[in-house]
Amino acid sequence: DAKTTQPNSMESNEEEPVHLPCNHSTISGTDYIHWYRQLPSQGPEYVIHGLTSNVNNRMASLAIAEDRKSSTLILHRATLRDAAVYYCILRDGTQGGSEKLVFGKGTKLTVNP
Amino acid sequence: ETGVTQTPRHLVMGMTNKKSLKCEQHLGHNAMYWYKQSAKKPLELMFVYSLEERVENNSVPSRFSPECPNSSHLFLHLHTLQPEDSALYLCASSQDWGPSYNQPQHFGDGTRLSIL
Repeated sequence: DAKTTQPNSMESNEEEPVHLPCNHSTISGTDYIHWYRQLPSQGPEYVIHGLTSNVNNRMASLAIAEDRKSSTLILHRATLRDAAVYYCILRDGTQGGSEKLVFGKGTKLTVNP
Repeated sequence: ETGVTQTPRHLVMGMTNKKSLKCEQHLGHNAMYWYKQSAKKPLELMFVYSLEERVENNSVPSRFSPECPNSSHLFLHLHTLQPEDSALYLCASSQDWGPSYNQPQHFGDGTRLSIL
């Protein structure tokens, strides 16, 4: 499985934007970039995914570099409820590709009031 | 509220006990998963069921025995566990398993297992 690299931790202030980076220099052309987050005492929660183009949904935006070797999850206005561990995961998008989610250590986001 | 419910939320058991973890999904999904999350280790996939058939077993010791009686229910039967098996056990589901559809997995909140 292609690997991702994320900072161990980040801090943000409430109501400010947060940019969570992820490096995936060995990404293949068919790998999708997925983001999940895990709030304290809860299971992981799907956030967003994309292949090449930037993506937006009600939770966040995903900005993908032109060479696809990095991506950034953007929370437009952080709230205290966004404090969680954020995981960046690559998934094989080919026919017969794996549905497995391979979790790394993620980035622990702290949101200050 | 999640569409995946796990019971019990907490379980303490001795090494010689037998217990079962239960997972139920109300999403109409065809694939279900068991993950283990130990302290200071990333989530590890244990088992995958698709349409009630086991399709993945990631070298999990035989003291963990999964069961999927129907597409909505998944069990993890535990016996003769070791202290290192203390962890958070998470269940998840997705619409399908197989050729990658990039479908999100929906997780329950887990069972916190402690082995004495």
